Amino acid sequence: DTGVSQDPRHKITKRGQNVTFRCDPISEHNRLYWYRQTLGQGPEFLTYFQNEAQLEKSRLLSDRFSAERPKGSFSTLEIQRTEQGDSAMYLCASSPKTPSGETQYFGPGTRLLVL
Amino acid sequence: GQQLNQSPQSMFIQEGEDVSMNCTSSSIFNTWLWYKQDPGEGPVLLIALYKAGELTSNGRLTAQFGITRKDSFLNISASIPSDVGIYFCAGRLYNQGGKLIFGQGTELSVKP
Repeated sequence: DTGVSQDPRHKITKRGQNVTFRCDPISEHNRLYWYRQTLGQGPEFLTYFQNEAQLEKSRLLSDRFSAERPKGSFSTLEIQRTEQGDSAMYLCASSPKTPSGETQYFGPGTRLLVL
Repeated sequence: GQQLNQSPQSMFIQEGEDVSMNCTSSSIFNTWLWYKQDPGEGPVLLIALYKAGELTSNGRLTAQFGITRKDSFLNISASIPSDVGIYFCAGRLYNQGGKLIFGQGTELSVKP
């Protein structure tokens, strides 16, 4: 029974570089979410997918951010031309679609540091 | 925008004591979730609540979905050192899709 996995766990990059993170959801979960968490705060929603369709994007997701889930399984989050303000923990979560309600299970996160 | 007010912000307690924390909002939620997060890790789900008035337990943890659907609380009984961490409430707004809104967290310290 594997949970949500994220890769890499840590990323250090220089300002202006592009970075890409990967999330593998729990098998058969059809919904996948991306959140961002800065120090001392709760996670903030970025975007989510149902299967391969991107259903909602937060205003936090600037034009430099793009997320994909091409086959409805794993997802990638790319940040172009990184800025120091992008330094944060990027969390992925997945959930099944059930009649009783929705529970999101989180991965371990990718911690990004932009120098 | 939608906000969850979580309190207290931090707690310092003695091992064996009971703990209570809560989240309130001016918005109506149809799901409340409670998570625990350790440093450098992702949030781990503790309890999920789906109906107003629902009271659910998970071992020494008990959580309730407020009748007004605008609040929730989490109680931890007989705390132990491994309860140390940051606890987050998260709610899914009524008719607002699948995203979760998180509280600011309650940092719990337990003195042996």
